[in-house]
Amino acid sequence: EPEVTQTPSHQVTQMGQEVILRCVPISNHLYFYWYRQILGQKVEFLVSFYNNEISEKSEIFDDQFSVERPDGSNFTLKIRSTKLEDSAMYFCASSSAGRSKFFGPGTRLTVL
Amino acid sequence: KQEVTQIPAALSVPEGENLVLNCSFTDSAIYNLQWFRQDPGKGLTSLLLIQSSQREQTSGRLNASLDKSSGRSTLYIAASQPGDSATYLCAVSLPGNTGKLIFGQGTTLQVKP
Repeated sequence: EPEVTQTPSHQVTQMGQEVILRCVPISNHLYFYWYRQILGQKVEFLVSFYNNEISEKSEIFDDQFSVERPDGSNFTLKIRSTKLEDSAMYFCASSSAGRSKFFGPGTRLTVL
Repeated sequence: KQEVTQIPAALSVPEGENLVLNCSFTDSAIYNLQWFRQDPGKGLTSLLLIQSSQREQTSGRLNASLDKSSGRSTLYIAASQPGDSATYLCAVSLPGNTGKLIFGQGTTLQVKP
């Protein structure tokens, strides 16, 4: 069964450093998303991406964040200058139009 | 602003019991509703998707219902097993279909052998 994969599973970084989280969505999906979950809190929407552009972003997704689909398979989330409060589990998801969203296993980001 | 609430926050039942998890949302204008399972420290596994025009969906021992007008959904788990122990999340997708999901806090279920 096809699945969404994410790398790395755990990323530790120093405050102020740039991080890139990587995702490989399900191959025939056209819609891609990033969500995050701070420990003990709700899963929060960050951004949706379709047809090589952002279709919606939340207020969390400020200028420090960017997304890219550099080739036909990868989907990345970059945080330019990490803050302590960026520590969270980051989930990538993909879907076909109007269908179930499939989530990856997540990347745990720890900012020290 | 759409908000999603799940009650109860935690539930502990003996194996074999049938149970119902509740999800409510404040704005009935939704595109669809999806139930997920999350195991500790893991990703989200999709269980059931109900489109806004549907009333229920079934998969094995799981049945999800949707009452859009009252802003409620329930997830019914029949004959619970210890392997069902996990956190169950519901999430609504808004019209406009940008795909943004708004999640509830989840119900953490423990099924005791």
